Amino acid sequence: QSVLTQPPSASGTPGQRVTISCSGSSSNIGNNVVNWYQQFPGTAPRLLIHNDNQRPSGVPDRFSGSESGTSASLAISGLQSEDEADYYCAAWDDSLNGAVFGGGTQLTVL
Amino acid sequence: QVQLQESGPGLVKPSETLSLTCNVSGGSISSRSYYWGWIRQPPGKGLEWIGSIYYSGTTYSNPSLKSRLIISVDTSKNLFSLKLSSVTAADTAVYYCARQRSYTGYDFDYWGQGTLVAVSS
Repeated sequence: QSVLTQPPSASGTPGQRVTISCSGSSSNIGNNVVNWYQQFPGTAPRLLIHNDNQRPSGVPDRFSGSESGTSASLAISGLQSEDEADYYCAAWDDSLNGAVFGGGTQLTVL
Repeated sequence: QVQLQESGPGLVKPSETLSLTCNVSGGSISSRSYYWGWIRQPPGKGLEWIGSIYYSGTTYSNPSLKSRLIISVDTSKNLFSLKLSSVTAADTAVYYCARQRSYTGYDFDYWGQGTLVAVSS
């Protein structure tokens, strides 16, 4: 069971806006920044969002992150077929003194 | 461009020790801005942080693995290593090494391609 809670699946049609939630606690999301990773089958995860809402170079601005209290969200606007992947949230946890991940959300583009 | 490459046996027997090395190229492992981490992913499951190490040797470990885990760094060879003892089938996973930025919320910005380690007799 993951420390951070994500819905196991999400879906949308091309062009739609989709959001993926990530719920934590005061020891992780409530006191530290949230990072998001995108993973395609058979490949390593890729950093998608860091510091709650910052995009690394090369990440389209269709991807955005937000955080409020002990929860965070990843939003994907103008959904495209190539966005079909697994998405993971992560944060530092002060109680565990380590990094924690969400269980991952499998995004399907219908 | 930083590159990380995992190496080690793809098959380990139960109760034995899993040993992996991560070679870092394109950047110095002695940089004060980064930790160097290990993350694993059992087949069909999510990501699990194993532990991280600083160039000085300071380590942080997942409490659930700490008693079986040794992470070390060799700055002269620009690599870091993982040893996980007393392995069981539950340790079967793809193991990734990654660079962890200490100044941006400890995110992992560069990853190795991953190596599958199966625990089986």
